Amino acid sequence: DTGVSQNPRHKITKRGQNVTFRCDPISEHNRLYWYRQTLGQGPEFLTYFQNEAQLEKSRLLSDRFSAERPKGSFSTLEIQRTEQGDSAMYLCASSFSGGPETQYFGPGTRLLVL
Amino acid sequence: DAKTTQPTSMDCAEGRAANLPCNHSTISGNEYVYWYRQIHSQGPQYIIHGLKNNETNEMASLIITEDRKSSTLILPHATLRDTAVYYCIVRPLWEGSARQLTFGSGTQLTVLP
Repeated sequence: DTGVSQNPRHKITKRGQNVTFRCDPISEHNRLYWYRQTLGQGPEFLTYFQNEAQLEKSRLLSDRFSAERPKGSFSTLEIQRTEQGDSAMYLCASSFSGGPETQYFGPGTRLLVL
Repeated sequence: DAKTTQPTSMDCAEGRAANLPCNHSTISGNEYVYWYRQIHSQGPQYIIHGLKNNETNEMASLIITEDRKSSTLILPHATLRDTAVYYCIVRPLWEGSARQLTFGSGTQLTVLP
């Protein structure tokens, strides 16, 4: 078990471009979460999936953001028409539902929008 | 979810125990206390969690007061690699509640040589 992985680790893009991030969860975990973290702040929840179903979305997830988990395994987070305010660390976490449901985080993808 | 209050920063000498407090006075009976830490530019790392009883694992000990209104994370022999932001989070146990973690500002622990 190699833990949660995220790709790319770093992304620099120009304002207005689209970007896509990938998260591979721990293999037996059925839940997958996306968070965003800006400098000096704690992570903030964006959305989560149970298997392939997207069960909750934060108000932070504007209509320029879309997340998918098509086969209940890996997930992608796409940001369309990026803005400078989208610059942040995007974190993925996975867990197995039931009990205390501990979430395990990946290393994150750091996005810089120029 | 119950709110938590943590000191903004703490220092600890290398090799000594680091005791990080957290106040969660509005915690309800079916909420867990979780601790995570985040080393600079890395993803948060799970440390430990508890409901009522004190807990210990290979990383740390968690002491929860009898009234559950506060807790202390103990790193028994702090090393320089323990320098990080430590987050105390309370989270409901039951499946019908929000499942995400709500992070506050955490405590910046600096371990000094």
